[in-house]
Amino acid sequence: GQNIDQPTEMTATEGAIVQINCTYQTSGFNGLFWYQQHAGEAPTFLSYNVLDGLEEKGRFSSFLSRSKGYSYLLLKELQMKDSASYLCAVNGTASKLTFGTGTRLQVTL
Amino acid sequence: DARVTQTPRHKVTEMGQEVTMRCQPILGHNTVFWYRQTMMQGLELLAYFRNRAPLDDSGMPKDRFSAEMPDATLATLKIQPSEPRDSAVYFCASGLGTSGGNSGANVLTFGAGSRLTVL
Repeated sequence: GQNIDQPTEMTATEGAIVQINCTYQTSGFNGLFWYQQHAGEAPTFLSYNVLDGLEEKGRFSSFLSRSKGYSYLLLKELQMKDSASYLCAVNGTASKLTFGTGTRLQVTL
Repeated sequence: DARVTQTPRHKVTEMGQEVTMRCQPILGHNTVFWYRQTMMQGLELLAYFRNRAPLDDSGMPKDRFSAEMPDATLATLKIQPSEPRDSAVYFCASGLGTSGGNSGANVLTFGAGSRLTVL
């Protein structure tokens, strides 16, 4: 089965950097995904990692360590519009994508 | 701009009634997922299909839920009879999943969701 853990809530200040951690235990692994979900909206894709290391996409970066079952999403130069839930998801066998419960990020002035 | 279309967007019904939710995946996508989201449980995987064949529906209460793909442009999720605990937002998502597990191809695009309230 799959077990995915993330902090429930985080708060950070506009302009700062925040790191959202995700740990997982899975029976199969074919990559780790991060999605963003604003309140009342659908999740949207942010990034994915299949190999160890850091993937950078503008203000967002995602890191993966497969041996540790660990990933993080790094958000730089935080903006108010970054207030949202961030969902960690593991791609298991046969393209099965399982989500964690998400981390609700509040960006304050 | 390709999108996943879900209907209805909102549904209020009484306990015991049948509810059918529909999803039109993005043309060319061969995987379709049904998720249920509540505040307490987050996004729970109910069922998913690849090339219209059901791959896993272990997350779905079989006595009342059923999921089908009658053709490549339509996926349905049916609840009969519905119960108050089924109240949630139901999301459909589609992607280009491959049997080789190529993660990059498994990016899912979500529909806007169907918000179900069972009284």
